[in-house]
Amino acid sequence: GENVEQHPSTLSVQEGDSAVIKCTYSDSASNYFPWYKQELGKRPQLIIDIRSNVGEKKDQRIAVTLNKTAKHFSLHITETQPEDSAVYFCAAYSGAGSYQLTFGKGTKLSVIP
Amino acid sequence: ETGVTQTPRHLVMGMTNKKSLKCEQHLGHNAMYWYKQSAKKPLELMFVYNFKEQTENNSVPSRFSPECPNSSHLFLHLHTLQPEDSALYLCASRLGAENTGELFFGEGSRLTVL
Repeated sequence: GENVEQHPSTLSVQEGDSAVIKCTYSDSASNYFPWYKQELGKRPQLIIDIRSNVGEKKDQRIAVTLNKTAKHFSLHITETQPEDSAVYFCAAYSGAGSYQLTFGKGTKLSVIP
Repeated sequence: ETGVTQTPRHLVMGMTNKKSLKCEQHLGHNAMYWYKQSAKKPLELMFVYNFKEQTENNSVPSRFSPECPNSSHLFLHLHTLQPEDSALYLCASRLGAENTGELFFGEGSRLTVL
């Protein structure tokens, strides 16, 4: 099955600075990589995703990059704001024919005003 | 509100009790998931169903028994649980074929085993 490693486990940044979270995956057949945000006491929600035929995707202050050769992908948040404080999870589906979505262990991001 | 409803939201049970968690989705999705969320393993996949057929069972102990009577409903039957089973149990659903697609999560059922 898929193995997803996520770093760092905690991250503190000053408001306005950038934050980067990195993940690696093991299954070379994986082709879809979502990122979820979970605020305290709430459900995880998708914030951005990327497919293997694309190297980078942006949505306002959030971007995701993918390096299929190295099997790693990253989340970039620019101009961080206090409301970005949350736990962020990367994920990857196992290879062809699988419904299994495996999550990393999460990164707790704290944006200091 | 994501269209995925879980009940009960909170449950306290003894180790000898039998209880069930319920998940219902009104999104027309075909796949439904149970995840366990705890401090040690933040989002641990337990079971996956596609069109009410089980596709994944991640070596979950038999004291957890899933049931999917149709594509809109998913249950997790609990019996003879251990205190370490205390966690938030999240249900999710999605639309589409394997290997892709957004999961829509419910609010979760917070389980405490005494």
